[in-house]
Amino acid sequence: AQSVTQLDSHVSVSEGTPVLLRCNYSSSYSPSLFWYVQHPNKGLQLLLKYTSAATLVKGINGFEAEFKKSETSFHLTKPSAHMSDAAEYFCVVSTPRGGFKTIFGAGTRLFVKA
Amino acid sequence: DTAVSQTPKYLVTQMGNDKSIKCEQNLGHDTMYWYKQDSKKFLKIMFSYNNKELIINETVPNRFSPKSPDKAHLNLHINSLELGDSAVYFCASSPRTGEGNTIYFGEGSWLTVV
Repeated sequence: AQSVTQLDSHVSVSEGTPVLLRCNYSSSYSPSLFWYVQHPNKGLQLLLKYTSAATLVKGINGFEAEFKKSETSFHLTKPSAHMSDAAEYFCVVSTPRGGFKTIFGAGTRLFVKA
Repeated sequence: DTAVSQTPKYLVTQMGNDKSIKCEQNLGHDTMYWYKQDSKKFLKIMFSYNNKELIINETVPNRFSPKSPDKAHLNLHINSLELGDSAVYFCASSPRTGEGNTIYFGEGSWLTVV
C-alpha cells in the first residue's frame, strides 16, 4: 500500500539555524514526491517536487529535498530558517494505483523563534 | 491573474441549510479537485474531475454534490449542512491526472456550521 509519513507533527527552530522536516514514503512503484507549504489562512503552495530526475531537488525560498530510495525518504531542509518560514508543511506522494493517486502526509508545523 | 479562485472565502451558516462553493481555474488544466482539510490540518480528497467527467469520488456523503459545467469550473454544493461539515474546503487543479503532476490550490473556503 502507498503511504506517506511525516515523522514530526511539530518542529521548532531558532531563526538562522537549519531546518529539517522529515518524510518517509511507501510505494510499490517509483513515486513522484512533493513538498507543499501552507501559511496561516492560505492555500497550499508548491515548494519543490521530485519526478525521477536529479535526486537533490532545489525549491523556492532556499528549501531543498533529497530523494533517498534506499531509505524511502524525502526530507526537506533549509540551511537557515527565517521567521517567514513559520507554516505548515506537507509531504506528498503521487503514485500509480489504478490511475494515479496523490496522498498527503499529516503535515509538520514549523515554528521559528526569534 | 489568480490561478485557482474559489468563493466565498468564509461562510458561516446554520445546520440544515444548503450552500455552494464555486471554483474556477484559468490555467487551462484538464483536472480539478475538491479537498477537505479538517481542524487537525489533515487533507482528504473528496472529488476529482477530468475534462468535466468524475474520476475520483471518495467516500463522501451524498449531501455533497460536485458540478462541473466546463473544465475550468468545479463547484461544490452541500445539502442539509451538519456541524461536522465545518472545515476548510480547497479547490485545486492540475494539468492532467498522472504521475508527477503538480496540483495547484486555491486559497480555501472556511465553512463554519452553527
